Amino acid sequence: EDQVTQSPEALRLQEGESSSLNCSYTVSGLRGLFWYRQDPGKGPEFLFTLYSAGEEKEKERLKATLTKKESFLHITAPKPEDSATYLCAVQGAAGNKLTFGGGTRVLVKP
Amino acid sequence: KAGVTQTPRYLIKTRGQQVTLSCSPISGHRSVSWYQQTPGQGLQFLFEYFSETQRNKGNFPGRFSGRQFSNSRSEMNVSTLELGDSALYLCASSLNRGRGTDTQYFGPGTRLTVL
Repeated sequence: EDQVTQSPEALRLQEGESSSLNCSYTVSGLRGLFWYRQDPGKGPEFLFTLYSAGEEKEKERLKATLTKKESFLHITAPKPEDSATYLCAVQGAAGNKLTFGGGTRVLVKP
Repeated sequence: KAGVTQTPRYLIKTRGQQVTLSCSPISGHRSVSWYQQTPGQGLQFLFEYFSETQRNKGNFPGRFSGRQFSNSRSEMNVSTLELGDSALYLCASSLNRGRGTDTQYFGPGTRLTVL
């Protein structure tokens, strides 16, 4: 059974204080690892798809990396608008189903 | 392009009732998946529909069911509602080109409260 664990559960940052979120996974036949951002009361917003170990993707202040067992989401010089819950999910050999981690709640204070 | 839409956005029901939620996927997307999100369990997969057929199902009781229409729109139904069914129900659509990774795009969700 696919499993995803995210850490830490919550992160409080000062504006400009860079940090990293961790996503550890076990999956049979990884087809993709996904990062989403979710604001309170809204649906998850797609950020990145990573396909294979060693891959990196960037978008504004966010950079996602992937190894064979983990993915990291680096937030560089965050701003208050980066405050959200960040979700990691894997898609394995068992079809399109996404298995999600519990998420990391990020609060960036000005 | 318009995103995934879900109706209604909010619902209040009482125990024992049934409810139907609706999802319209992004134009051209053929696969629709449903997820339940609760504070305790997080996001959990309910089922996936493609070409009007259920292709995959999560570990939920038979009270949870769904269907997909020929225009790819989907509905999910929950019968005999229980208090524990209170959750945010999310619909996601994807292109499903047949091979490789299939990125899912989520709608805003339907907030169901069972009293």
